[in-house]
Amino acid sequence: GENVEQHPSTLSVQEGDSAVIKCTYSDSASNYFPWYKQELGKRPQLIIDIRSNVGEKKDQRIAVTLNKTAKHFSLHITETQPEDSAVYFCAAAGAAGNKLTFGGGTRVLVKP
Amino acid sequence: GAVVSQHPSWVICKSGTSVKIECRSLDFQATTMFWYRQFPKQSLMLMATSNEGSKATYEQGVEKDKFLINHASLTLSTLTVTSAHPEDSSFYICSARAATGGGYEQYFGPGTRLTVT
Repeated sequence: GENVEQHPSTLSVQEGDSAVIKCTYSDSASNYFPWYKQELGKRPQLIIDIRSNVGEKKDQRIAVTLNKTAKHFSLHITETQPEDSAVYFCAAAGAAGNKLTFGGGTRVLVKP
Repeated sequence: GAVVSQHPSWVICKSGTSVKIECRSLDFQATTMFWYRQFPKQSLMLMATSNEGSKATYEQGVEKDKFLINHASLTLSTLTVTSAHPEDSSFYICSARAATGGGYEQYFGPGTRLTVT
């Protein structure tokens, strides 16, 4: 089955700096890669996603890049703000966008 | 749009009893619903995939006789934790995927925190 590795597990950045989280996946058939933000005790919220036919996608301060050959994808948050502090999860889904396999999560702390 | 609710939001039960958790898609029809379990400071682990009108598909290591899943309609799936034990205490989250549009996105419920005493 699919295996998703996520790094780093914790990330502390100064407000205004950029944050980068990286994920690798094992199943070359995976074709959908969402990123979720989860605050303590709350549901995961989709913040951005990318399909395998696209190499990069951007939404305001958030961007995701995908390298299918290397089987890795990354989340980039620019101009970080304290409200960006949360746990971020990457995930990968295989054929027909079926079940999601989640990475281990990254706890991001943005220091004011 | 695309709102998923769960009920209850939290529950405390005694060891040996059963607990039912409901997952509803409020404004769309969901062919497929997923059930996840999340332990403190850990990731979401898929327990089972539930398709309307058919038996759920359980992930390896998940006991289907202990975690009963019913997906009786396109807007409701239930998870029953039978003979609950303290080690079943966790945050249970469902998600739903829309029946139309061919989209990949899963919409998550707010989660149910189960504590077994």
